[in-house]
Amino acid sequence: GEDVEQSLFLSVREGDSSVINCTYTDSSSTYLYWYKQEPGAGLQLLTYIFSNMDMKQDQRLTVLLNKKDKHLSLRIADTQTGDSAIYFCADSGNTGKLIFGQGTTLQVKP
Amino acid sequence: DVKVTQSSRYLVKRTGEKVFLECVQDMDHENMFWYRQDPGLGLRLIYFSYDVKMKEKGDIPEGYSVSREKKERFSLILESASTNQTSMYLCASSQGTGDSYRSYFGAGTRLSVL
Repeated sequence: GEDVEQSLFLSVREGDSSVINCTYTDSSSTYLYWYKQEPGAGLQLLTYIFSNMDMKQDQRLTVLLNKKDKHLSLRIADTQTGDSAIYFCADSGNTGKLIFGQGTTLQVKP
Repeated sequence: DVKVTQSSRYLVKRTGEKVFLECVQDMDHENMFWYRQDPGLGLRLIYFSYDVKMKEKGDIPEGYSVSREKKERFSLILESASTNQTSMYLCASSQGTGDSYRSYFGAGTRLSVL
């Protein structure tokens, strides 16, 4: 079945760039999403990319998509302590149901 | 802004109790979803619904049922709660057409079954 994989933990220093990686298996994916979950909260949509795009930039966020390798990454420039959260990669496939990765906990050290 | 509201943030129940988790969305979305979230496992889909009175099983439906009598409301039911159902439960909705598979989430209900 469809699968989405992420590493579980990333630690960076404030001001550095963070790169969170994700791999997926479904080649029919139309959209891929990044969600952020702050402690005790639900998930909020950060950004998404259409499958025919290679890159999307939105302020401090850059999403890179390598469709050949089925690899998605989220880069956060100038990472701040407020960026500490769990980040989920999600794949819509072609069914409308989002398949989520395990989530990457980003720890930002002052 | 889309709003997805879950009726409780925290619930404590006893083993064997019947538990209802309620979710309401205000954007006339077609699709609604129930997930549970456990550390290291990400979000796992329990049930979803594409329309009123319609429901489909997700990846882990055992021990759960759902009800969607009105478009805006999707209820998750634990018929007889067990300790292994202690978890964070997240409700989501989406329009589900074109580029709108993006899902909007409620704040979550943290359920403890003792």
